[in-house]
Amino acid sequence: EADIYQTPRYLVIGTGKKITLECSQTMGHDKMYWYQQDPGMELHLIHYSYGVNSTEKGDLSSESTVSRIRTEHFPLTLESARPSHTSQYLCASSESQGGEKLFFGSGTQLSVL
Amino acid sequence: GESVGLHLPTLSVQEGDNSIINCAYSNSASDYFIWYKQESGKGPQFIIDIRSNMDKRQGQRVTVLLNKTVKHLSLQIAATQPGDSAVYFCAGTYNYGQNFVFGPGTRLSVLP
Repeated sequence: EADIYQTPRYLVIGTGKKITLECSQTMGHDKMYWYQQDPGMELHLIHYSYGVNSTEKGDLSSESTVSRIRTEHFPLTLESARPSHTSQYLCASSESQGGEKLFFGSGTQLSVL
Repeated sequence: GESVGLHLPTLSVQEGDNSIINCAYSNSASDYFIWYKQESGKGPQFIIDIRSNMDKRQGQRVTVLLNKTVKHLSLQIAATQPGDSAVYFCAGTYNYGQNFVFGPGTRLSVLP
């Protein structure tokens, strides 16, 4: 069982609100990721980090931002939520060596009204 | 661009039968592949992986086959059980250390 946790599990908010999705892992992994996933569809990488103070944008353009101040914590922030942001957001981590498997959290289902 | 894809969006099998889920990839430089299982309301869960220097790998009731010639891999599930019902994703890296590319999922339904 992977030790990676996401909160909240579900979030319903109004347009224009600022939100932060939390992700923490206790495995000491250097690499962390945020994916966006629509129901039953493929995962799209929106942000990743190689370690503390490292953040990169992924393949899918996103209006969100991330930070990596501590190894175990990789929060994602939306400054002004819109209905188009409604989706599931999955956090993952992996060991620092490339090609290693990803461990996923249970996800946050975000609905913006 | 890079792509990893599955041949069928849905697959229904009888309980006890074997299941085969297929995946194709576009980049011949892809060197590491993973199959994930995602149950409703949960994050993807690792099933099995394979590196490009192998053509077959077996786990508990699962086997992954890799055919680099035609850039195809498959996941075989033996004696499929109701608990195997989920969406299955394949993912690959196209350079060692690069981020994974995920294909669209195949929804496996196990019929009683």
